[in-house]
Amino acid sequence: AQSVTQPDIHITVSEGASLELRCNYSYGATPYLFWYVQSPGQGLQLLLKYFSGDTLVQGIKGFEAEFKRSQSSFNLRKPSVHWSDAAEYFCAVGARSNDYKLSFGAGTTVTVRA
Amino acid sequence: SQTIHQWPATLVQPVGSPLSLECTVEGTSNPNLYWYRQAAGRGLQLLFYSIGIDQISSEVPQNLSASRPQDRQFILSSKKLLLSDSGFYLCAWSVLLEQYFGPGTRLTVT
Repeated sequence: AQSVTQPDIHITVSEGASLELRCNYSYGATPYLFWYVQSPGQGLQLLLKYFSGDTLVQGIKGFEAEFKRSQSSFNLRKPSVHWSDAAEYFCAVGARSNDYKLSFGAGTTVTVRA
Repeated sequence: SQTIHQWPATLVQPVGSPLSLECTVEGTSNPNLYWYRQAAGRGLQLLFYSIGIDQISSEVPQNLSASRPQDRQFILSSKKLLLSDSGFYLCAWSVLLEQYFGPGTRLTVT
């Protein structure tokens, strides 16, 4: 079965500082990996996805993520955070063999301080 | 472009009352459809998913049910709500693997 772990429940970062959110997955075959962002009271928005190819993927809002097969990780990064990046971030893993269902991590809440 | 609608946006219902949440998708055909619940401070729990009309799979046993009367319409229902049904309900669609979410419905059972 596929599963996702986000080790950090809550991260606080200063505006303008860099941000890295960790994601570790467990899956036997090649995973399809995603990062979503959720602002309070809103639905989830897809930030970026990895299916195959270049292991460094670019997403919206200046985010990027790197797939590292050897570490079973798909960490999300942003070089310089803005106050509007305060939100909850979810990592997810999916597979065609699992009826296209996604397994989500528990989420990491990001607080941005001025 | 594709859009997904959910209504109502918020709902307050007494214990034991029925429930009907609706989700519709525009701009795509034959999408996979999903219902998730997000309890306060917790992650997403997949409740139901559907790969076609009248093809619905349940992920967890509960007093909720789902129906898909049309290709792009997905309905979440209950005959009698429980306090534990409170939460944020999200509908999502996909054609391939990436899922796109609706704005959600905040349900409070009192």
